[in-house]
Order: sequence, then structure tokens, then C-alpha cells
Amino acid sequence: QVQLVQSGGEVKSRGASVKVSCKTSGYSFTSYGINWVRQAPGQGLEWLGWISVYQGNTNIAQKFQGRVTMTADKSTTTVYMDLRSLTSDDAAVYYCARGSHWPPINFDHWGQGTLVSVSS
Amino acid sequence: DIVLTQSPGTVSLSPGERATLSCRASQSVSSSYLGWYQQKPGQAPRLLIYGASSRATDIPDRFSGSGSGTDFSLTISRLEPEDFAMYYCQQYDGSITFGQGTRLEIK
Repeated sequence: QVQLVQSGGEVKSRGASVKVSCKTSGYSFTSYGINWVRQAPGQGLEWLGWISVYQGNTNIAQKFQGRVTMTADKSTTTVYMDLRSLTSDDAAVYYCARGSHWPPINFDHWGQGTLVSVSS
Repeated sequence: DIVLTQSPGTVSLSPGERATLSCRASQSVSSSYLGWYQQKPGQAPRLLIYGASSRATDIPDRFSGSGSGTDFSLTISRLEPEDFAMYYCQQYDGSITFGQGTRLEIK
């Protein structure tokens, strides 16, 4: 069965970086893209961007350009999301979600979420 | 970016009733790129509808989606207790945006 298993929660200081992993299994890794979506406490869903694990190219939401990097490791079928220069506004649950290869739609399987806390 | 506005913000209904949730876009959206998600507390979202009207795998047929252009809707024909949750619409136009959500609560 399709599974996306994310790394554990993180507590980071303001200005630091966080790297969240998403280990996938149960499907052809290069046939789909992976998206990253976050949800601040009590708030809605916000898309950070998408990576084509087949080609390695990314589409990062304008708001996060320059601060987010997404990478994929085909050997371990794992995708990573790196968010730099953390502020208190970045405190949220971060989800990876499998989507179509292109365009990045139809998020049909999700990871369990990774809580990122930002302390002062 | 296209802004999606969902209404109502909260709807209170009883099991067995019909629910209709609205999603209005600030610009025309391709129906192929409009989806709906359900989210329960403490859980990741779940894809319900893609392409505006196609049910995702294992989604009961009481869920249906419709609409085009700037106006889309999600209908739940007969509410079951497990349907009370948050619902989000989503679109893609080069970037992904979500609506702010509709909370469906038990009356």
C-alpha cells in the first residue's frame, strides 16, 4: 500500500533552518510528484511547492522562493523539504502529499505531518 | 494567485440531511484542476473530488462535485456522522491555492 512517512517533530530557534523528510513506499516513486503543504495551528492549508522526483525540478510558491529547497533521493525514495530563516510564522504542521507527476494536483496520499515549533 | 472563497464558513446540519458547500474563485479555474479535501481534527487531509466532479478512490457516492468557471460546489447527499469535518477546495493555475475552509458541524 502507498505510504508516506515523515520525520518527527522539530523545535527550532528563530533564524534557524529545518529539514523535514518524507519516506515513500508502495508505488513507483518516479511516476508521481511530491508536494509540501503546511497548516498553522487552527488555520487552513498553505502550499509550499512541488518536486518532480523524476526530473528533480521544482515549483516553489512565490511566498517561499529563496527560503525553501526541495530535493528527492531516488535510491531511498525519500523527499526532503528544507526551510530556512525560520520565524514564529513558520510554526505549523508540515505535510508531504503525493500528487500527479504534472501538473501538481490530486493530492491522493498524505504523510502523517511533522510539527515544527519555533522558539525565541 | 487565484483566491478561493468558501461559503459558508460554518454550516450546522443533522445526520441524514443534505449539505452543499460552495467554492468561488477570483478568476476562472480549469475544471480539471479543481479538487476538494476533507480534514478531521488531528488528521491529514483526504482527497474527495478531483477534476471538479470525479470521486477519488474509495470515496462514497454520497459525495459529489460540480461547477465550472468560477463557481464550484461539493454536495453530500445524506450526511453520515463521520462526514462532520472541515472541507477545503483547491485549485491549480501554475500555483496551488486552497480555500479557507468550511466547517461542517453537527446541529
